[in-house]
Amino acid sequence: GAVVSQHPSWVICKSGTSVKIECRSLDFQATTMFWYRQFPKQSLMLMATSNEGSKATYEQGVEKDKFLINHASLTLSTLTVTSAHPEDSSFYICSALNRGKDRELNYGYTFGSGTRLTVV
Amino acid sequence: SQQGEEDPQALSIQEGENATMNCSYKTSINNLQWYRQNSGRGLVHLILIRSNEREKHSGRLRVTLDTSKKSSSLLITASRAADTASYFCATDPSKYSSASKIIFGSGTRLSIRP
Repeated sequence: GAVVSQHPSWVICKSGTSVKIECRSLDFQATTMFWYRQFPKQSLMLMATSNEGSKATYEQGVEKDKFLINHASLTLSTLTVTSAHPEDSSFYICSALNRGKDRELNYGYTFGSGTRLTVV
Repeated sequence: SQQGEEDPQALSIQEGENATMNCSYKTSINNLQWYRQNSGRGLVHLILIRSNEREKHSGRLRVTLDTSKKSSSLLITASRAADTASYFCATDPSKYSSASKIIFGSGTRLSIRP
């Protein structure tokens, strides 16, 4: 089945530094990937939609200059948290759209395993 | 923003019993999906039901969709300890058949007691 690999699975960084999170679709091409943020015992909140070869679309209230998204190829999207602060500590999850042969959405979205970011 | 609410927020049942979770949403949808998340892990896609479908089965899972009430339910039969997880519904509010972003419900934390 479709697999999305997300790295790193966890990272601890100092306040003020930047952290890059990678999301790769291993066995399918993903023209669209999504980045979510999840606080403990809460649901996933969509941060942005990453489109291959074009600028990401950010949800209202998400700072595009703080959360830089790059989708340079059909299998890789990256999220960079710039000048991280303790309030950015969270669980970040990516997902990729996996269409069937008829280009209809048959298989749902495939999610990475998530990245636990802790800013100290 | 979240599309909808799920209830109950938390559910604890005995192993072997059936678990039912409900999801309500706000806008018209193209499809509705259910996902499972084990603690601290990514999400696993369970089942997708399209807006023109009313019921769907997959193994021990049964999903219903009532678009007139904007609600869906997930039934897990003969629950097992391994079913302990959080369950989320997610809706695709796209007007067209090509899917775009999906919006998650608030989730139900299911605990199966041995």
